[in-house]
Amino acid sequence: DIQMTQSPSTLSASVGDRVTITCRASQSISSWLAWYQQKPGKAPKLLIYKASSLESGVPSRFSGSGSGTEFTLTISSLQPDDFATYYCQQYNSFWTFGQGTKVEIK
Amino acid sequence: EVQLVESGGGLVKPGGSLRLSCAASGFTFSSYSMNWVRQAPGKGLEWVSSISSSSSYIYYADSVKGRFTISRDNAKNSLYLQMNSLRAEDTAVYYCARDQDRLGFDPWGQGTLVTVSS
Repeated sequence: DIQMTQSPSTLSASVGDRVTITCRASQSISSWLAWYQQKPGKAPKLLIYKASSLESGVPSRFSGSGSGTEFTLTISSLQPDDFATYYCQQYNSFWTFGQGTKVEIK
Repeated sequence: EVQLVESGGGLVKPGGSLRLSCAASGFTFSSYSMNWVRQAPGKGLEWVSSISSSSSYIYYADSVKGRFTISRDNAKNSLYLQMNSLRAEDTAVYYCARDQDRLGFDPWGQGTLVTVSS
């Protein structure tokens, strides 16, 4: 089974900050990685697929990069609506989620 | 509007059974693989099961294999999850999600809460 490890688990940041979340796979997953945003009490929302492709309607301040085993999600300028929990998901072999990164207000 | 709506959650005793449903609308349901993903209270997301568009391919997480059964009725635009031999650790919000064929899971339903407790 492929394991996904996100870091950090919690991130404290201010509006306007550049934020980076890392996701590492236990083995190569090529570019078969997605990122989701989840707010309390709500379903996850797809942000990025195939490691770096922005889902339609998602603000351009979100970007993804990486391939193989190391990936990053970057928010170029954090907005009030971005405080949420973010999950990576590999879909190279079945499906596995990272444990999540909570972005909270500093 | 593309939409998924889950139903069927509730309180069940350990060892009991429950059947979840997911009603799809706004897209050609029969063209997509579908998934169930769960989230225990205060925890992260866990993929549970997947079914291909024609039900030819079915997969389960090890944690539910042998106890849960995924199925679909393309004529009714519906996805199901039959859950048997439920355990306390199955307590979670269960989401259905469309697999966009290597483009991620989207959309997701609003979720339905399953509580396993005596």
